[in-house]
Amino acid sequence: SAVISQKPSRDICQRGTSLTIQCQVDSQVTMMFWYRQQPGQSLTLIATANQGSEATYESGFVIDKFPISRPNLTFSTLTVSNMSPEDSSIYLCSAVQGGLYGYTFGSGTRLTVV
Amino acid sequence: GENVEQHPSTLSVQEGDSAVIKCTYSDSASNYFPWYKQELGKRPQLIIDIRSNVGEKKDQRIAVTLNKTAKHFSLHITETQPEDSAVYFCAASRGTYKYIFGTGTRLKVLA
Repeated sequence: SAVISQKPSRDICQRGTSLTIQCQVDSQVTMMFWYRQQPGQSLTLIATANQGSEATYESGFVIDKFPISRPNLTFSTLTVSNMSPEDSSIYLCSAVQGGLYGYTFGSGTRLTVV
Repeated sequence: GENVEQHPSTLSVQEGDSAVIKCTYSDSASNYFPWYKQELGKRPQLIIDIRSNVGEKKDQRIAVTLNKTAKHFSLHITETQPEDSAVYFCAASRGTYKYIFGTGTRLKVLA
């Protein structure tokens, strides 16, 4: 299965600023996704990162707050914009390869907004 | 909307005993059901999955069963070991490659 590198692994940010999280896969993958996981909670899908086009967002998430790029089949970024303490969470990218269904997850980014 | 209920939220078992985690889904179109194990501070890892055309799947000490009629599926871990201690998430597919995750079960295996 694909190996995903995600960075940064953690960051502490001031409210009102933005953070961009990068996700690099070691092989071409069919689809990439971004999830949020509050500490001790389940995983919530933010959006599907579409290669070469705008991301598809889930209910409750908007492009202005979480702009996503996917310029090619192995790389994606998620930006958390105009951060507030409520954005403190773990952000995970995931990928799935054609013919397989199970996700591989990145190592996650633990974000704390102060 | 679609959701996945998972029970119990915490489970403690003695080493060597079996553990069972149950999930119920609402979307009758769901056809793929993965299970993930997440150790503290680490990423979720796929441990087993099952598709809707199969009733049971086994991989060494872990097995998953699916009852499509009742819309529930379960994870069974036999001969539990301390390294099985983790949070386990079930999930059900929603469309192509999208999954709805359950709320998680914290499993503690007591030595």
